Amino acid sequence: EDQVTQSPEALRLQEGESSSLNCSYTVSGLRGLFWYRQDPGKGPEFLFTLYSAGEEKEKERLKATLTKKESFLHITAPKPEDSATYLCAVQVMDSSYKLIFGSGTRLLVRP
Amino acid sequence: DAGVIQSPRHEVTEMGQEVTLRCKPISGHDYLFWYRQTMMRGLELLIYFNNNVPIDDSGMPEDRFSAKMPNASFSTLKIQPSEPRDSAVYFCASSTPDRAPEAFFGQGTRLTVV
Repeated sequence: EDQVTQSPEALRLQEGESSSLNCSYTVSGLRGLFWYRQDPGKGPEFLFTLYSAGEEKEKERLKATLTKKESFLHITAPKPEDSATYLCAVQVMDSSYKLIFGSGTRLLVRP
Repeated sequence: DAGVIQSPRHEVTEMGQEVTLRCKPISGHDYLFWYRQTMMRGLELLIYFNNNVPIDDSGMPEDRFSAKMPNASFSTLKIQPSEPRDSAVYFCASSTPDRAPEAFFGQGTRLTVV
C-alpha cells in the first residue's frame, strides 16, 4: 500500500535555528513528490515538486531534497513567519493526478 | 485573479440534511480537485475533473457523495444525507495541464454535521 509518513509531528525552533523536516514514502513507483505549506484556516499553498532522486529545489529559506526513499525540507535561519504546517504528498506512477498526503509537520518558530 | 473561490466558508447542518458545497476555479484552469481534510485522515483527494469531466472519483467515500461540474467556472460537491462523520474541511483546488497535480487551493468550507 502506498504510504507517506512525515516527521516530526511538531517542531519548535528559535528564530535563526536551522532544521529539517522529513517525508518518507513507500510507493509502487514515484512520479513526483510535492511540498505544500498550510497556514491555519487556509488552504495548502504549493511550494515545490521533485521528480527524481538527487533533485533539489530552493525558495527563500527553504530547500527541498529527494532520495529514493525520502525527502527533506531544510529550513535555514527560520523566521516567525515560517510558522505553518508543512505537508508532503506523492503522486504514484500511473495516469492519475491523485496525490497521497502525509499528516504534516507543524512548525512553530519563536522570535 | 481572485483565486479559487469556495462557498460557504462555514456550514452547520443537522444529520440527514442535504449539503451543497460550491467552487469557482481560477479562470483558464482545466483541472479541478475536491479534497477533504480531517484530523484523523489528513488531506484526501475525493474526485478530480478535467475539462468538466470526472476523471478519478475513487476517493469519494460512498454514494451519499456526488460532485458535478456543469461548466468550466463552477463545481459542486453534494452530500445527501449528511452524517456527523462527514464533518471536515472541504477544499477545492484548480490547476492547468502543465502544472497538474500542483494546484491552487481555495480557502475551504468547514462543514459541521450535528
